[in-house]
Amino acid sequence: KQEVTQIPAALSVPEGENLVLNCSFTDSAIYNLQWFRQDPGKGLTSLLLIQSSQREQTSGRLNASLDKSSGRSTLYIAASQPGDSATYLCAGLSSNTGKLIFGQGTTLQVKP
Amino acid sequence: EAGVVQSPRYKIIEKKQPVAFWCNPISGHNTLYWYLQNLGQGPELLIRYENEEAVDDSQLPKDRFSAERLKGVDSTLKIQPAELGDSAVYLCASSVRDGSPLHFGNGTRLTVT
Repeated sequence: KQEVTQIPAALSVPEGENLVLNCSFTDSAIYNLQWFRQDPGKGLTSLLLIQSSQREQTSGRLNASLDKSSGRSTLYIAASQPGDSATYLCAGLSSNTGKLIFGQGTTLQVKP
Repeated sequence: EAGVVQSPRYKIIEKKQPVAFWCNPISGHNTLYWYLQNLGQGPELLIRYENEEAVDDSQLPKDRFSAERLKGVDSTLKIQPAELGDSAVYLCASSVRDGSPLHFGNGTRLTVT
């Protein structure tokens, strides 16, 4: 059974800092991995999707990597801004079950 | 492009009452999902549709939950009767096809008293 874990649960950094959010998954039979952002009281917004054949994806100040062999994905945020404050969730799509399994999220606060 | 639309945004009901949630996905998106999200947790899949067919409802509590997606467009999720433990946010999402990026609505926050 696929399990997705995100550590830490919460993170607070000063503005301008580069940071890394971690996501680990137990089943390497993963079709793709997605990173989402969720603002309070809102739905999830897709940030990046990495296919199993890819190693990383970039969008603006965001870079996501995928290492299937170690069961890990990271989301790198460069030059963080207060507007980046939100909860970030990763989700892995299992090749075996077709199910998208979410982590519990990391709540990020960027202080001005 | 209009996003995924859900209604209502909030719903407060007493236990044992019925409740229904509605979702209109992005036009052209064949795959529709209903998720349940508890506070501080990631979403958990309730049901996935490919067009009008429910292809994965293994985690839907069928004794009290039901869903439909007539004509393969909008969808309704119903709970009857509601229990206190059903209090959560119910999220609808759609994608062009399974495996492509998901687009979520803002959810319906259900409170059962």
